[in-house]
Amino acid sequence: GEDVEQSLFLSVREGDSSVINCTYTDSSSTYLYWYKQEPGAGLQLLTYIFSNMDMKQDQRLTVLLNKKDKHLSLRIADTQTGDSAIYFCAEDGASGTYKYIFGTGTRLKVLA
Amino acid sequence: DGGITQSPKYLFRKEGQNVTLSCEQNLNHDAMYWYRQDPGQGLRLIYYSQIVNDFQKGDIAEGYSVSREKKESFPLTVTSAQKNPTAFYLCASSIPPTGANVLTFGAGSRLTVL
Repeated sequence: GEDVEQSLFLSVREGDSSVINCTYTDSSSTYLYWYKQEPGAGLQLLTYIFSNMDMKQDQRLTVLLNKKDKHLSLRIADTQTGDSAIYFCAEDGASGTYKYIFGTGTRLKVLA
Repeated sequence: DGGITQSPKYLFRKEGQNVTLSCEQNLNHDAMYWYRQDPGQGLRLIYYSQIVNDFQKGDIAEGYSVSREKKESFPLTVTSAQKNPTAFYLCASSIPPTGANVLTFGAGSRLTVL
């Protein structure tokens, strides 16, 4: 079945760049998403990318998509302590469906 | 401000009891969802509803029930048939996914079975 995989933990120093990786299996996905979850809270959308795009930049965030390898990454430039959270990659299946598959989440810890 | 309100934030239940988690949205979204979150397992879909008076089972619906009598409300009942109900429950909503299906989430409800 469809699956989305992420590494569980990442630790970086404040001011460095963070790169969170994700691999997915469903090639019919129309959009791929990154969500952020702070402790004890719900998820917030960070950004998303259309499956025909290779890259999307939004302020400190850069999303790279390698559709051939089904690999998605999120780069956070100049990582701050406020970026410490769990980051979820997700795919939504074919256009117009309500299907949504989340990865296991990567816990980012930013060291001062 | 528009958003999703989940209540209660924390809930304790004795084994054998049913409990209902509330989810209310004022975003005028048609679709609503319930997810369960366990450590290291990501989010798993319990039920979703595309429109009032209609809902579909997700991947882990056994032991749960829902209703969608109003557009704004999508309560989840965790029944005594759910074998391992201790978890963090998240409600979400979205407009119909003709483009990107962006989910808006509530703050979550943490259920602990004693």
